[in-house]
Amino acid sequence: GAVVSQHPSWVICKSGTSVKIECRSLDFQATTMFWYRQFPKQSLMLMATSNEGSKATYEQGVEKDKFLINHASLTLSTLTVTSAHPEDSSFYICSATRTESSYEQYFGPGTRLTVT
Amino acid sequence: AQTVTQSQPEMSVQEAETVTLSCTYDTSESDYYLFWYKQPPSRQMILVIRQEAYKQQNATENRFSVNFQKAAKSFSLKISDSQLGDAAMYFCAYFSSSGTYKYIFGTGTRLKVLA
Repeated sequence: GAVVSQHPSWVICKSGTSVKIECRSLDFQATTMFWYRQFPKQSLMLMATSNEGSKATYEQGVEKDKFLINHASLTLSTLTVTSAHPEDSSFYICSATRTESSYEQYFGPGTRLTVT
Repeated sequence: AQTVTQSQPEMSVQEAETVTLSCTYDTSESDYYLFWYKQPPSRQMILVIRQEAYKQQNATENRFSVNFQKAAKSFSLKISDSQLGDAAMYFCAYFSSSGTYKYIFGTGTRLKVLA
């Protein structure tokens, strides 16, 4: 149990366009979802925390207007990269926690974004 | 603010041998969790082992065990009988249940397993 999926797994988009990444908890209701960004050979950098039905809390330095996060239901959160530029190319990972175990995050497989 | 330090960017181990990955952390809190995650080339984060700070007994999961030294704020991971499939990035993570409910990750250690 506790499976998190992400879609798409890999996306290529042109500079200036927007791209949406979905994160779903498949077999549990996610109290909280997290979005991370990971550069090659580096650690995970937390971008934002989202709770269902409320606005996401962004980490310092993360542009909330560029990285729009919507947590529409207890099983779905989306990250939209608006007006993408090549420097937004990265690996994006989501995770989710269950109500009964807020200390444990279940990670999605990640999405590789390439902006050309 | 809490910090997590992994001082070994890269480690190597011979297949079937034992290796220990280091992790230290800094916190003023008493109630927290510590984790080791493995990230293989697929980049899927996989939970290796979890330790609750209130438990004195070191956690063990098959070939993986930790040496949790709360006073020293140290949380090392020992991998016994290393296998080729253990090759990956390993991240140490800290979670405070009385704080922001966020993970704080270390910078990672790349483990190479030599045949």
